[in-house]
Amino acid sequence: GDSVTQMEGPVTLSEEAFLTINCTYTATGYPSLFWYVQYPGEGLQLLLKATKADDKGSNKGFEATYRKETTSFHLEKGSVQVSDSAVYFCALGHSGNTPLVFGKGTRLSVIA
Amino acid sequence: DTAVSQTPKYLVTQMGNDKSIKCEQNLGHDTMYWYKQDSKKFLKIMFSYNNKELIINETVPNRFSPKSPDKAHLNLHINSLELGDSAVYFCASSLDRNEQYFGPGTRLTVT
Repeated sequence: GDSVTQMEGPVTLSEEAFLTINCTYTATGYPSLFWYVQYPGEGLQLLLKATKADDKGSNKGFEATYRKETTSFHLEKGSVQVSDSAVYFCALGHSGNTPLVFGKGTRLSVIA
Repeated sequence: DTAVSQTPKYLVTQMGNDKSIKCEQNLGHDTMYWYKQDSKKFLKIMFSYNNKELIINETVPNRFSPKSPDKAHLNLHINSLELGDSAVYFCASSLDRNEQYFGPGTRLTVT
């Protein structure tokens, strides 16, 4: 079955550091890929998405590129802020409103 | 305007009780979901409804029973609560391309 593997956290960075959170997937067909963010005490929010190979999703300074050849969708940000502290989830989904398959989440803590 | 809302936000109850969590979405979506998030933040699908019809029912104890009175609502009823049911339960909805919108979650604590 489909699966998503994320780097284990927690990840602790200083403000303005560069962020990479690795995500790889195993799936049949051509899934869409997502990054969701969960701030403390809140639900999940869609951060960015990519629906086909070589697409780049971007939002709030975060980027991720759908790499079919390496089955990866790594999340990057050039300069993190304290407000980026949250848990980040990589996920994949297929058409037809099937449920998403989530990675286990990566907790990011950014210190001033 | 809240897109996906859940009530209650917190629920503390004793083992053996029956409880319900309500979910409503005002996005006009056709599909709604229930996910369970455990203490390690792992998210797992429980149920999925499309136009009030059950389309996904993962390996979940039959003490859990979803009910969808209309497209905008998907409630979760849990009978005979157990300690292991303690978790955060998220409702979500989607229209297409799997872009799912999540509610704020209900933290259930069973004592």
